[in-house]
Amino acid sequence: KAGVTQTPRYLIKTRGQQVTLSCSPISGHRSVSWYQQTPGQGLQFLFEYFSETQRNKGNFPGRFSGRQFSNSRSEMNVSTLELGDSALYLCASSHKRENGDTQYFGPGTRLTVL
Amino acid sequence: GQSLEQPSEVTAVEGAIVQINCTYQTSGFYGLSWYQQHDGGAPTFLSYNGLDGLEETGRFSSFLSRSDSYGYLLLQELQMKDSASYFCAVRDRDDKIIFGKGTRLHILP
Repeated sequence: KAGVTQTPRYLIKTRGQQVTLSCSPISGHRSVSWYQQTPGQGLQFLFEYFSETQRNKGNFPGRFSGRQFSNSRSEMNVSTLELGDSALYLCASSHKRENGDTQYFGPGTRLTVL
Repeated sequence: GQSLEQPSEVTAVEGAIVQINCTYQTSGFYGLSWYQQHDGGAPTFLSYNGLDGLEETGRFSSFLSRSDSYGYLLLQELQMKDSASYFCAVRDRDDKIIFGKGTRLHILP
């Protein structure tokens, strides 16, 4: 099976702009979660989608949003970018509840906000 | 608040054994997972404990004590390629996945 893919891999934006990141899960996986990873805060949960419905949302401002399509592909959007949004954004898919709900991570999108 | 505590760094010698501890304080608990992340790479799943006790997968083992809200990852016969960050993670009662901040493992030759 192909792994989780994320596009783009690298992105440079300026403050105030918006960005959309894309994630394609492993075939057959219906759950997609998004995480923000920074050196100081580690891996922080953004949100989880299952069958096109947002199941959960982490403690992030409303500028962070996402959606999932009928083919389980997911996008996340960040509007009005701030310098502090610079991070590695990781997407993970899972076959819900398999083996403790193992998360299979994509390579991430490295976002730099200038 | 909810938290997972693990040491920020651990150093060990090649060929030795190292234990990385994780204590958690979460609302609800559905098992403890461990992930490995090499520099520049994505986290990869290592182990999961849903019940108390030891789970063994090759050179890696993981232990859970739910009564103590504690678990650990044990790495044996350390190799240089094991140099990485290790994260413990819990899914809580609200169905959110919470990760610890990670333990950076340094291996000396």
